[in-house]
Amino acid sequence: DAKTTQPPSMDCAEGRAANLPCNHSTISGNEYVYWYRQIHSQGPQYIIHGLKNNETNEMASLIITEDRKSSTLILPHATLRDTAVYYCIVRVEAAGNKLTFGGGTRVLVKP
Amino acid sequence: EPEVTQTPSHQVTQMGQEVILRCVPISNHLYFYWYRQILGQKVEFLVSFYNNEISEKSEIFDDQFSVERPDGSNFTLKIRSTKLEDSAMYFCASSWTVSGNTIYFGEGSWLTVV
Repeated sequence: DAKTTQPPSMDCAEGRAANLPCNHSTISGNEYVYWYRQIHSQGPQYIIHGLKNNETNEMASLIITEDRKSSTLILPHATLRDTAVYYCIVRVEAAGNKLTFGGGTRVLVKP
Repeated sequence: EPEVTQTPSHQVTQMGQEVILRCVPISNHLYFYWYRQILGQKVEFLVSFYNNEISEKSEIFDDQFSVERPDGSNFTLKIRSTKLEDSAMYFCASSWTVSGNTIYFGEGSWLTVV
């Protein structure tokens, strides 16, 4: 799997949008961009994934650049409960393929 | 919403003892996984399992580890002779239905070896 690069930490104000960047310059054509988060020591929680089109669900939006070398996860209205480590992972969308976690971005939402 | 459930949530064991961690994957998922996370470190892949056999395993998954699907609902991780360095959070996960391939994780089992 291609590697990703994320800032180690960032702060965000409660109620504001949080924009989390991720670089994946060596991504292959058949690799999807996945985002997970881990709140405290809980199990990783799936947020969203996409191939090349922008995606939105009830949790977040995913913006993927046209060249697919980077992406941004947007939490539209951050709450204190969004404080977590956020992982950007690229993965071939094939049955049984594992996820390989990096260090992620530690996001602290402040009141 | 369907979820992966794990038991126990926390287990303390003596070094050298056998431990079995249990998981109930999401119904109708076909791929099952174990990951672990040592305190303060990354989430690490251990093993994936499909059709009653291991499909992939990492270097961490040595002979002291084994996995089993003893019945139609449970998926277990056994550590034969625990070591201090096995102390970690162990996450079970499952994936793959005809409608998607996203991996979903349980809340974890915290293993402390003393």
